[in-house]
Amino acid sequence: ETAVFQTPNYHVTQVGNEVSFNCKQTLGHDTMYWYKQDSKKLLKIMFSYNNKQLIVNETVPRRFSPQSSDKAHLNLRIKSVEPEDSAVYLCASSSDWANTGQLYFGEGSKLTVL
Amino acid sequence: QQQVRQSPQSLTVWEGETAILNCSYEDSTFDYFPWYHQFPGESPALLIAIRPVSNKKEDGRFTIFFNKREKKFSLHIADSQPGDSATYFCAASGNSNNRIFFGDGTQLVVKP
Repeated sequence: ETAVFQTPNYHVTQVGNEVSFNCKQTLGHDTMYWYKQDSKKLLKIMFSYNNKQLIVNETVPRRFSPQSSDKAHLNLRIKSVEPEDSAVYLCASSSDWANTGQLYFGEGSKLTVL
Repeated sequence: QQQVRQSPQSLTVWEGETAILNCSYEDSTFDYFPWYHQFPGESPALLIAIRPVSNKKEDGRFTIFFNKREKKFSLHIADSQPGDSATYFCAASGNSNNRIFFGDGTQLVVKP
């Protein structure tokens, strides 16, 4: 049963455009994440938020910016997309910062940059 | 330095055989070792996990074997079924850095 909701699930756009992905979790968790999964299925952490505070900000291009209005929502904005941004972006949550190993993933948002 | 290493990259077994997926880790402070599976077109989902207080964890056909001294753990899938075909990720996390580190994944194919 899905409890981490992402929108949109698919998005096709052109180089230079802006894209936003939204994520909401209904599990009552304190911690949320954005992961990037490339064509080789590798999972790379991008950002972690705990109670809407940024905790982890991996080395990602500055065109990526997360935003959290409350602990149940974590959005991702990409300004001026590049071809290498084509990937599946996975939102996830964990009950709290101490349980980072028990992740609940959303369905993913597949981005294709033409 | 990669914190979690996973092998093999791909594995093919026949239905009914035992599939063995391997992982090793670097940080001895890690205290939680989950395995996630990801079916085609879906997102990863937690399958089974172990903590270092145990050296074995079973859940039906899925068993984790854990070797703390060698910093290795493996997932054994007994009586493999075609429906087990998926990508499997091992991972490790710990309170010292509150991070989870994923392996690169093993693509398992179970042939009928």
